[in-house]
Amino acid sequence: DQQVKQNSPSLSVQEGRISILNCDYTNSMFDYFLWYKKYPAEGPTFLISISSIKDKNEDGRFTVFLNKSAKHLSLHIVPSQPGDSAVYFCAASATNNDMRFGAGTRLTVKP
Amino acid sequence: GAGVSQTPSNKVTEKGKYVELRCDPISGHTALYWYRQSLGQGPEFLIYFQGTGAADDSGLPNDRFFAVRPEGSVSTLKIQRTERGDSAVYLCASSLTGNNSPLHFGNGTRLTVT
Repeated sequence: DQQVKQNSPSLSVQEGRISILNCDYTNSMFDYFLWYKKYPAEGPTFLISISSIKDKNEDGRFTVFLNKSAKHLSLHIVPSQPGDSAVYFCAASATNNDMRFGAGTRLTVKP
Repeated sequence: GAGVSQTPSNKVTEKGKYVELRCDPISGHTALYWYRQSLGQGPEFLIYFQGTGAADDSGLPNDRFFAVRPEGSVSTLKIQRTERGDSAVYLCASSLTGNNSPLHFGNGTRLTVT
């Protein structure tokens, strides 16, 4: 069952512009949401998280927004840099349970 | 290094053989996870340990797959009678508490079953 969905397999943006990556989930028990970044031949690296009691969390160029009623979260990267090019995974978990991942979105930032 | 370590990084085996994949988590992390990732897909949950016990093994695809964590640190994922469909990258991750804390991943073991 695909509890976490990333419907865009790829995204291409120009350097300096905003990148917006989207994620939808179906399990209303999820209360912790994360974004991971993955380079080839490496494991996913934690980027930013948000708990269900918040609707926004910001860390430098990265901001995660959570819309619980729509079961939707997004990651904004601004300004985008070529080094941000990677595959981004959305993940979600319910308290004391395992973490589920989306299929990923490949972001390409063009110089 | 203080990260999650997985060995071997690559494993090629013949169909029907037995394999063991090892994971050394970050010291002090109580929670340990195994995931499997196929090309073009996200990590697929296999099993989650809290300490020495498997808190959730609902992701193991069948009884050919088994994992242990006897001392609450190192974990071994064991696959019996391997099949070509088992070919994937097997990722291990650990987290401090397993409760709303980020997972820290190793670089994975790429398993190829010929």
